[in-house]
Amino acid sequence: SQQGEEDPQALSIQEGENATMNCSYKTSINNLQWYRQNSGRGLVHLILIRSNEREKHSGRLRVTLDTSKKSSSLLITASRAADTASYFCATDAHSGNTPLVFGKGTRLSVIA
Amino acid sequence: GAVVSQHPSRVICKSGTSVKIECRSLDFQATTMFWYRQFPKQSLMLMATSNEGSKATYEQGVEKDKFLINHASLTLSTLTVTSAHPEDSSFYICSARDRSNEKLFFGSGTQLSVL
Repeated sequence: SQQGEEDPQALSIQEGENATMNCSYKTSINNLQWYRQNSGRGLVHLILIRSNEREKHSGRLRVTLDTSKKSSSLLITASRAADTASYFCATDAHSGNTPLVFGKGTRLSVIA
Repeated sequence: GAVVSQHPSRVICKSGTSVKIECRSLDFQATTMFWYRQFPKQSLMLMATSNEGSKATYEQGVEKDKFLINHASLTLSTLTVTSAHPEDSSFYICSARDRSNEKLFFGSGTQLSVL
């Protein structure tokens, strides 16, 4: 069952601006991951944040996790047209046989 | 890093035919693989969990007789869409977990188009 909810569903910004996407989930997790997907293509793993971490950076990406609110955010700074894609959060209970559960995704459009 | 190979990447078939999609873990053993389906502009929905040497576990609403899953070895799982119909047209993607790694590794996906 789908448990992640992304907000907003679609986001359109100008190149150079920052893009913030939010994700909420319902159950306990071991970690939360963010993925990127270009139209009709496979998934690209962006970043993983563990349940005992609050913030993580990777290049222009900044991810936060608030386990008390069961929410996470992905910030892309200084966006580029090439960042145009769909972004999904996915929660991982990490108990051996458990799959990732994906949110509905945010479609980001960066206009040059 | 661990790699999951999925083939074919794209298939177009006539209604009523069966299509087999392969998912291989190239440098690790995957006792469990997961199959997802994604319709246009939607998220990935888990279809089934494939366990090596045993029957797959299907999510509610997924027909096990239509989507046959075989996980005969620790490196290969196959999904066969039997008697495909246009409504089965979708993007199918597999993933596998390396027990020594927190991440699940994903195949590159298969775009199925049923005419």
